[in-house]
Amino acid sequence: RKEVEQDPGPFNVPEGATVAFNCTYSNSASQSFFWYRQDCRKEPKLLMSVYSSGNEDGRFTAQLNRASQYISLLIRDSKLSDSATYLCVVNNPGSNYKLTFGKGTLLTVNP
Amino acid sequence: DAGITQSPRHKVTETGTPVTLRCHQTENHRYMYWYRQDPGHGLRLIHYSYGVKDTDKGEVSDGYSVSRSKTEDFLLTLESATSSQTSVYFCAISESGGLRTDTQYFGPGTRLTVL
Repeated sequence: RKEVEQDPGPFNVPEGATVAFNCTYSNSASQSFFWYRQDCRKEPKLLMSVYSSGNEDGRFTAQLNRASQYISLLIRDSKLSDSATYLCVVNNPGSNYKLTFGKGTLLTVNP
Repeated sequence: DAGITQSPRHKVTETGTPVTLRCHQTENHRYMYWYRQDPGHGLRLIHYSYGVKDTDKGEVSDGYSVSRSKTEDFLLTLESATSSQTSVYFCAISESGGLRTDTQYFGPGTRLTVL
C-alpha cells in the first residue's frame, strides 16, 4: 500500500457543484494531516489542517477517520477559482517535521 | 505569505556541470527542506535541515548535497547534473517540530532543465 494515496482524477465539475476528494494513508502512527492546494506552475499552499473532530473553513470541510486511515476534503458551491491540484499530506511517523505528500487530485471547475 | 525566495527561478544547464540552487527565508524558521516535483511522483524530499550545519538525507538524496551555514540560507548542489535531475525544485520551511508537525511553507520553485 502506498504511503499516501489519492484518486488522481481529473475531476471536472460545473460551478456550484459539490466535490469530494478522498485520501488514504498507510501508517496508523501518523498524527498530523493536511490538505494543500497547488495551482498550475505554482508552489503548494496550505489549504487546511485536518483535525480528529473534523473542521470546516467556509466552503471547505475536512474529515479524518483514523480507524479507516482515511482523510477527505469536501468543497461546496465550487468556484472557478477552486480549479487546482489538491494534495493530501501526512506526517512521517517517528518524525514530527517530515511530511509525505500524495500525488494530488486535479480539479477543474467549469463555467 | 511566508518570506521565502529561491534563486535562480529558471536554469538550463548541461550534463556534467555543477549547479547550486539557493533558498532564502526571512522567517527565522528552524527547519528547511528541499523537494523535487516530477509528473507521476508528486513531491519527494531530497534533503532537509534542522538547524545551522545540521542536515540529513531525504528519500531521493543521491546526486545532491546541501549546506546551511546561516539560519536563513539553505543551498542545494547538484555536483554533476544529469538529465534525470531535470525537475521543479521547491524549498520549504517550518517553524519547529514540537508535539505536532508544523505546517510547511513553500518557496516559488526553481525549474531546472539538464540537457
